[in-house]
Amino acid sequence: GESVGLHLPTLSVQEGDNSIINCAYSNSASDYFIWYKQESGKGPQFIIDIRSNMDKRQGQRVTVLLNKTVKHLSLQIAATQPGDSAVYFCAENSLTGGGNKLTFGTGTQLKVEL
Amino acid sequence: DVKVTQSSRYLVKRTGEKVFLECVQDMDHENMFWYRQDPGLGLRLIYFSYDVKMKEKGDIPEGYSVSREKKERFSLILESASTNQTSMYLCASSSPPVGNYGYTFGSGTRLTVV
Repeated sequence: GESVGLHLPTLSVQEGDNSIINCAYSNSASDYFIWYKQESGKGPQFIIDIRSNMDKRQGQRVTVLLNKTVKHLSLQIAATQPGDSAVYFCAENSLTGGGNKLTFGTGTQLKVEL
Repeated sequence: DVKVTQSSRYLVKRTGEKVFLECVQDMDHENMFWYRQDPGLGLRLIYFSYDVKMKEKGDIPEGYSVSREKKERFSLILESASTNQTSMYLCASSSPPVGNYGYTFGSGTRLTVV
C-alpha cells in the first residue's frame, strides 16, 4: 500500500493475475476519490473515481472499493497485463474556498512479470 | 479531450537563474494547479488558481510564485533557482466543483538546477 517515505512501495504480480493496490486516506470529510496511473515519462492519467456515498465502483478491468469506516481505498485490476506496469496514485478531494483540491498519496509501483 | 500542455519536457538551469515554467490548457477550465513530484514523496501542491488573477498557496510555496493573467495559462516562476528545486513539475487543470473533480495533467517538465 501507499505510505509516506523515501521508498516507493512496489507490488509485483504475474501477468494474468489480479492486482490489489491499497491506499489509506487522511480526511474523513473527503467526498470524492480518484485513482491515477502514471507511466514512465508521462503525467498521471485518470483511471476511475468514486464518491463517498458509494462503496464500490467498477470500470473496465478495474474496481475501486471504499471503506469509510477505516478510511481505506483500494484499486483492483483484473487479469493484469504488461501495459498495467506503472505507478498508481490515489487522491482524495476536499472543497476549499471556490474550488476543489486533490491530495495525493505517495504512489505504488506496479510491476507485471511475464 | 482536454489538453494540458507544458512548454518544456526537459530544462537545465543554473543556480540563481529566474525560471519560468509555462502551462496552457485548452478546455476553458477554471482551476489550475502546479505540483512537484519527487521519488517517494508523491505529488506536492505548490500553488493553485481558481480564476484569472487569483492564486493560492499550496503545501510547499516557498521559493516559487505564479502568474495567471489569462484563463488558459498558468505560469510557475522560480525567482532564484536552487539545486533543491530539481524535480519533475506537473501542471493540471480541472472544471468547477459541480461535476467531475478529476484533474487533467500535462506531461511534466523535468527541471535540473546545476
